[in-house]
Amino acid sequence: DTAVSQTPKYLVTQMGNDKSIKCEQNLGHDTMYWYKQDSKKFLKIMFSYNNKELIINETVPNRFSPKSPDKAHLNLHINSLELGDSAVYFCASMLRGLNYGYTFGSGTRLTVV
Amino acid sequence: GNSVTQMEGPVTLSEEAFLTINCTYTATGYPSLFWYVQYPGEGLQLLLKATKADDKGSNKGFEATYRKETTSFHLEKGSVQVSDSAVYFCALSDLGDSSYKLIFGSGTRLLVRP
Repeated sequence: DTAVSQTPKYLVTQMGNDKSIKCEQNLGHDTMYWYKQDSKKFLKIMFSYNNKELIINETVPNRFSPKSPDKAHLNLHINSLELGDSAVYFCASMLRGLNYGYTFGSGTRLTVV
Repeated sequence: GNSVTQMEGPVTLSEEAFLTINCTYTATGYPSLFWYVQYPGEGLQLLLKATKADDKGSNKGFEATYRKETTSFHLEKGSVQVSDSAVYFCALSDLGDSSYKLIFGSGTRLLVRP
C-alpha cells in the first residue's frame, strides 16, 4: 500500500563504511528526488531523476552516488561515510503535469559513529 | 535564485489559540507554493498548496493564500489543537525550473499546550 517506501528506516554505521539506501514508488511517477534533512531540520535537495536520467546534482560530494535502475526506483549509495553525513534522508516522487504534487517517503535516519 | 523564508520558531500557543506562521518567497518564474507538516519522528505530509496568485489552499482547518503582490503564503488556523504540534515547512516549486524541485524554508516548530 505504501506509496513511497524507503529502506532501511534506521541505519547506524561506522565512519569509513559504504552503505546504500533504497527507495521505491508505486505511484507511476516519472520523477524522483533525494533530500537531506540536517539536525536543524533544514531540507536540501540532493538529486533529481526524471525517467531514469539525472536532472540535478546539487553540489553533493561524489561519495554520494544515486542509481535509478528504472522509473520506480532511486537508490542512494554512500562511500566512505563521514560523521557529517549523519542526517535523515528523504526520497520523494512526482508526476509532471498540470496538477503535479510530491509524495515523500518516511525517511531514513543515518547515524555515522 | 529562488528561496523561501519562514519565521523562526518555536511558536508556542495554548489550545484554541489563533495561529499564523509567516512565509515569504523569492522566485524568478511562476512558482507553486506548498505547506508541508512533519510530525515528530515522521516524514513530510502535504498540508495544502496553491498554484497561482490569489489561490487559497486549505486542509484540516489550515489555510494559506498565495499573495503575489507581497510574495507571501502565510499559514493560518483559527483554533489550534495539541495534535497540531509539529514542524511546518513552506516550500515552492518553480515551473520555470526543469527539475521541478521543491525548495524549502527552514521550518517552524509549533508547540501547542493543553
